[in-house]
Amino acid sequence: GIQVEQSPPDLILQEGANSTLRCNFSDSVNNLQWFHQNPWGQLINLFYIPSGTKQNGRLSATTVATERYSLLYISSSQTTDSGVYFCAVRSPGRRALTFGSGTRLQVQP
Amino acid sequence: DAGVIQSPRHEVTEMGQEVTLRCKPISGHNSLFWYRQTMMRGLELLIYFNNNVPIDDSGMPEDRFSAKMPNASFSTLKIQPSEPRDSAVYFCASSQSIGPTEAFFGQGTRLTVV
Repeated sequence: GIQVEQSPPDLILQEGANSTLRCNFSDSVNNLQWFHQNPWGQLINLFYIPSGTKQNGRLSATTVATERYSLLYISSSQTTDSGVYFCAVRSPGRRALTFGSGTRLQVQP
Repeated sequence: DAGVIQSPRHEVTEMGQEVTLRCKPISGHNSLFWYRQTMMRGLELLIYFNNNVPIDDSGMPEDRFSAKMPNASFSTLKIQPSEPRDSAVYFCASSQSIGPTEAFFGQGTRLTVV
């Protein structure tokens, strides 16, 4: 099946810093989503982005499907951004998402 | 819409007991997924349904696990008998199968088997 690799695995930032999280995948996809799992365990939808670029406030994401990667940008980080960020992809012919192992982000005040 | 609704939020049970987890998908979504999250294996797909029919159950660990979807608004995941290694967070998710296929997750059920 498709492989999803996320980097870095862990990231510590000072409040106000910017960061870039990366997701590489091993095959073509027709769905890519970014999630934030907050400290209470909820999986929050950030972006549905099979291709192109989207922005939502301080967060933005870019997927280059032809090169099999996606990037999540967090600007002016806040302590509430702490948690685990997951990339999940769906390959053609399969309806379920395959998850990466996540990037654990800690934003310190 | 209230989103995907799971119950219970927490379940503590003794080894050997039957456990039933419940899920109500988002209205209008015809694909439903059960995932399990553990520290060792991350988020892994157990089973998914399309139009109430199980399509892929290759992720179900063993015969102790079963899932049903009797109608478009309800699904159950049952473990019988439960074992300590089944302790995990179980998520249900739903999506459309045509058009934007963005998946939305419930809040999860944290299962502890002692």
